[in-house]
Amino acid sequence: SQTIHQWPATLVQPVGSPLSLECTVEGTSNPNLYWYRQAAGRGLQLLFYSVGIGQISSEVPQNLSASRPQDRQFILSSKKLLLSDSGFYLCAWSHAPNYGYTFGSGTRLTVV
Amino acid sequence: AQTVTQSQPEMSVQEAETVTLSCTYDTSENNYYLFWYKQPPSRQMILVIRQEAYKQQNATENRFSVNFQKAAKSFSLKISDSQLGDTAMYFCAFMGDNTDKLIFGTGTRLQVFP
Repeated sequence: SQTIHQWPATLVQPVGSPLSLECTVEGTSNPNLYWYRQAAGRGLQLLFYSVGIGQISSEVPQNLSASRPQDRQFILSSKKLLLSDSGFYLCAWSHAPNYGYTFGSGTRLTVV
Repeated sequence: AQTVTQSQPEMSVQEAETVTLSCTYDTSENNYYLFWYKQPPSRQMILVIRQEAYKQQNATENRFSVNFQKAAKSFSLKISDSQLGDTAMYFCAFMGDNTDKLIFGTGTRLQVFP
């Protein structure tokens, strides 16, 4: 069966520090991959999505970047974190997006 | 651009009762897909139910059903026989036919009381 893993579960980072959040999918190949951010009191905002290795589409210009170095690995990064980067980050995958996504368990990022 | 609106930030219901969560959306597309996701305190997003716009029949999954009104662009979720485990944030989401990107509403926090 397919599973999706996200780590770490929680992270507290100082302003100006780098960030690397990792998401991996098991049990499938060539999935569509997505990074969402959920800010307090707001819905989920799509940040990046990828339909293949090295193929990244950015939805919102910001302080973050994404990479897909392997078929089932999706990484969210920042060179210098801002306070506004705090939030709950969710990774998701899908083979048939019209049937919905499967989400990971998320990473709670607090920038201090 | 498509938008999804959930006008009820919070709702509460007593165990075993029925509750309806509202969702409206805006699109110029004729075919699309609508979803309800549940996010319990564990924060894991779980797909509850899905509706295809070209299907007039309302989707049903056990105690969860939707009232899909295409002309009104309304997609409400009805939870029957509410259980304590239904306590969660509920997000309505939209996906156009020619895209694979989900657009979410701001969510409704549902509290089920014993």
